[in-house]
Amino acid sequence: DQQVKQNSPSLSVQEGRISILNCDYTNSMFDYFLWYKKYPAEGPTFLISISSIKDKNEDGRFTVFLNKSAKHLSLHIVPSQPGDSAVYFCAASVASGGSNYKLTFGKGTLLTVNP
Amino acid sequence: SAVISQKPSRDICQRGTSLTIQCQVDSQVTMMFWYRQQPGQSLTLIATANQGSEATYESGFVIDKFPISRPNLTFSTLTVSNMSPEDSSIYLCSADRGLGYGYTFGSGTRLTVV
Repeated sequence: DQQVKQNSPSLSVQEGRISILNCDYTNSMFDYFLWYKKYPAEGPTFLISISSIKDKNEDGRFTVFLNKSAKHLSLHIVPSQPGDSAVYFCAASVASGGSNYKLTFGKGTLLTVNP
Repeated sequence: SAVISQKPSRDICQRGTSLTIQCQVDSQVTMMFWYRQQPGQSLTLIATANQGSEATYESGFVIDKFPISRPNLTFSTLTVSNMSPEDSSIYLCSADRGLGYGYTFGSGTRLTVV
């Protein structure tokens, strides 16, 4: 049972345009959500997170939106750059902010930003 | 330099043998986590390793198959025992380094069992 779903295995966008990566979850107990970026032959790198008490968090070109009623979150990258090309994982956990929380990951979306 | 060092980065092993993966963190951490990523799949948590106690395994993973050591607050090992081709995966360790930036991951170990 996939509790965190990324239904788009891949996404291709033009440099300078917006990239929107989507993620859905089924477990209503999740209260902390993270996005990771992964390049080939490297481990995932933390990108941005959001607590369930918020509906938006922004960090530079990256913004994460959370819609709790729809159990949906999205990552917006504006403007997209070729260096953003990577696999993006959505992850969720229970017990926001604690150092002992376990992460449940989606399968990832391969983003390709074309020059 | 990497903040979580994991080795080996890759290995090709014969079925029936065992491989031990090492993970070194650059600071003391309470919990370390071991994940597996099978081809085309998400990262799946194998177990949580707490220093000084037995690791806690997730459903579908057992200590006899994936023994874990956690001798101190900066180091852990995961052994993949009696390997079969189905164990071919990327294995990753991670830890919360307390920076408020989510978990940090090692670069992973790509295991191929032949």
